[in-house]
Amino acid sequence: AQKITQTQPGMFVQEKEAVTLDCTYDTSDPSYGLFWYKQPSSGEMIFLIYQGSYDQQNATEGRYSLNFQKARKSANLVISASQLGDSAMYFCAMREGRANSKLTFGKGITLSVRP
Amino acid sequence: DAGITQSPRHKVTETGTPVTLRCHQTENHRYMYWYRQDPGHGLRLIHYSYGVKDTDKGEVSDGYSVSRSKTEDFLLTLESATSSQTSVYFCAISESVVLDTPRDLLEQYFGPGTRLTVT
Repeated sequence: AQKITQTQPGMFVQEKEAVTLDCTYDTSDPSYGLFWYKQPSSGEMIFLIYQGSYDQQNATEGRYSLNFQKARKSANLVISASQLGDSAMYFCAMREGRANSKLTFGKGITLSVRP
Repeated sequence: DAGITQSPRHKVTETGTPVTLRCHQTENHRYMYWYRQDPGHGLRLIHYSYGVKDTDKGEVSDGYSVSRSKTEDFLLTLESATSSQTSVYFCAISESVVLDTPRDLLEQYFGPGTRLTVT
């Protein structure tokens, strides 16, 4: 079974609107962390946001927030007030276990912001 | 931005030749990683290092070896390159701090990537 699943096809959103990018995960470890990265067309990987399995509140970083639903094993990224510069590939990743530093990535979602 | 550089940034090589990619960091982070990125696969871990001379295999380690003789450098070697190793290679670093709270490991920071083409 895939550890991280990102199944949405290419996503489109109108500038200034909000968009949700889906991510589901699979783990039996009670301690884990979930990450979102952005990869623009220039190719670099940019860290956006982190959610720990024991965090009581959903993570937020500026226009990014993480809709963490532990029982459903989902960690959806919400981008508010989309900007043209948000057009990129977005990857969800998971770290399992406290002593493990390795990340497992999903296959990514392409987001296109329309003017 | 984390101080991570990769060299070379682009390389074209022939099947059967050895290739070494270098990752250099100025952050003094303990953990270093090599990933490859291919369409439809996301990023997959090749090898990682948890300290000088301490390395371990990742998900797709066949055909690759690594070495870390200094904290700041992590080398990825393709002993005999094959066309299936054509990919974009990313190096990443992270610092891990084991705390009493469940939030312990920090995010990974990525280098700019190396585009490798094996003809």
